[in-house]
Amino acid sequence: EAGVTQSPTHLIKTRGQQATLRCSPISGHTSVYWYQQALGLGLQFLLWYDEGEERNRGNFPPRFSGRQFPNYSSELNVNALELEDSALYLCASSSERLNSPLHFGNGTRLTVT
Amino acid sequence: AQSVTQLGSHVSVSEGALVLLRCNYSSSVPPYLFWYVQYPNQGLQLLLKYTSAATLVKGINGFEAEFKKSETSFHLTKPSAHMSDAAEYFCAVSEAKAAGNKLTFGGGTRVLVKP
Repeated sequence: EAGVTQSPTHLIKTRGQQATLRCSPISGHTSVYWYQQALGLGLQFLLWYDEGEERNRGNFPPRFSGRQFPNYSSELNVNALELEDSALYLCASSSERLNSPLHFGNGTRLTVT
Repeated sequence: AQSVTQLGSHVSVSEGALVLLRCNYSSSVPPYLFWYVQYPNQGLQLLLKYTSAATLVKGINGFEAEFKKSETSFHLTKPSAHMSDAAEYFCAVSEAKAAGNKLTFGGGTRVLVKP
């Protein structure tokens, strides 16, 4: 069974630009979660998508957005990049069964210069 | 809101010694608790999960955790550390149904294993 895959593995952008990160969940999983892991700030919840809809978002500004496609893959978009957006962005998927564990991808390392 | 506190951001153990990582949670409802491990430049890998079936939970790589409701704790242990256990460990609690299977994580504990 293929795990959660994320692309690209590394992304370098300049302040003010936009970044797009992609995630493919485990086959059969309909929910996708995005987390930001910035140095010294731990794992912060960004967004939850299920069945193509945004279901919940964390305490992040609107320039962090995303979507989920009919095949359940997902995109995270970060507009107007700031230096503090530099972080590892982790995507996870889970089945619809309540309290199922999250399965994580290896992340996209975003560097904003 | 539920929260998780991990005591000690860094732990150093000798190879072969006991590994003990502490996790305390706060929750107004029976929690679902998880331990994950993160190796350098990788995502998080599930070590074990507590879902109320048994208070002592065995996971992968020889790790286990004990749920103690009276202490609101879910500490992770391994009897004998191996060099390959050097990694960062995260305790997490599952949120209420309204947030799906969203997890709230503790700050993490980085484990260093000395030869």
